[in-house]
Amino acid sequence: KAGVTQTPRYLIKTRGQQVTLSCSPISGHRSVSWYQQTPGQGLQFLFEYFSETQRNKGNFPGRFSGRQFSNSRSEMNVSTLELGDSALYLCASSLDGQGGSPLHFGNGTRLTVT
Amino acid sequence: QKEVEQNSGPLSVPEGAIASLNCTYSDRGSQSFFWYRQYSGKSPELIMSIYSNGDKEDGRFTAQLNKASQYVSLLIRDSQPSDSATYLCAVNQKRSSGSARQLTFGSGTQLTVLP
Repeated sequence: KAGVTQTPRYLIKTRGQQVTLSCSPISGHRSVSWYQQTPGQGLQFLFEYFSETQRNKGNFPGRFSGRQFSNSRSEMNVSTLELGDSALYLCASSLDGQGGSPLHFGNGTRLTVT
Repeated sequence: QKEVEQNSGPLSVPEGAIASLNCTYSDRGSQSFFWYRQYSGKSPELIMSIYSNGDKEDGRFTAQLNKASQYVSLLIRDSQPSDSATYLCAVNQKRSSGSARQLTFGSGTQLTVLP
């Protein structure tokens, strides 16, 4: 069974630009969660989607948004990039979400904002 | 804010020893607990899940859960240099009363196994 696939692996953007990250979950997994990981803050929850609906959202500004498609694939968008948005962005899928079943992570997208 | 706390370490143990990693959580309603291992530059990898009080063993790994004390731990027996990584505790808890549950991660414990 294929794992969680994230694209692209690396991105370099400048301040003020926007970026879209993509995630394909494990086949059969309906929940997709996004996390931001930085050395100082650790793994921070961004949001979770289940059956195309955002079911939960972390404490991030509205510049961070996402969506999920009918095939469970998900995208995350960050608008008006700031230097502090430089981080590893991790997508994870699970059977039912809300932390009831384990998350399986993709390899992540490393975003650098200059 | 509901928290998951781990000793940040670093923790160093000699090869062949038992490594003990600890985690406490704040939401008494949490039902699912996980340990992840993260090598430098890689994404977290699930190594253990535990849902009931007591011990759960899988090879050299043992997870221990005590819901009354809101405490979960991971023991690694016969530690190997390849076990050197950051270990993340994750708990499904609510950020605040009324919010949905999410998997909340501790800050991780960096483990080094010395040859």
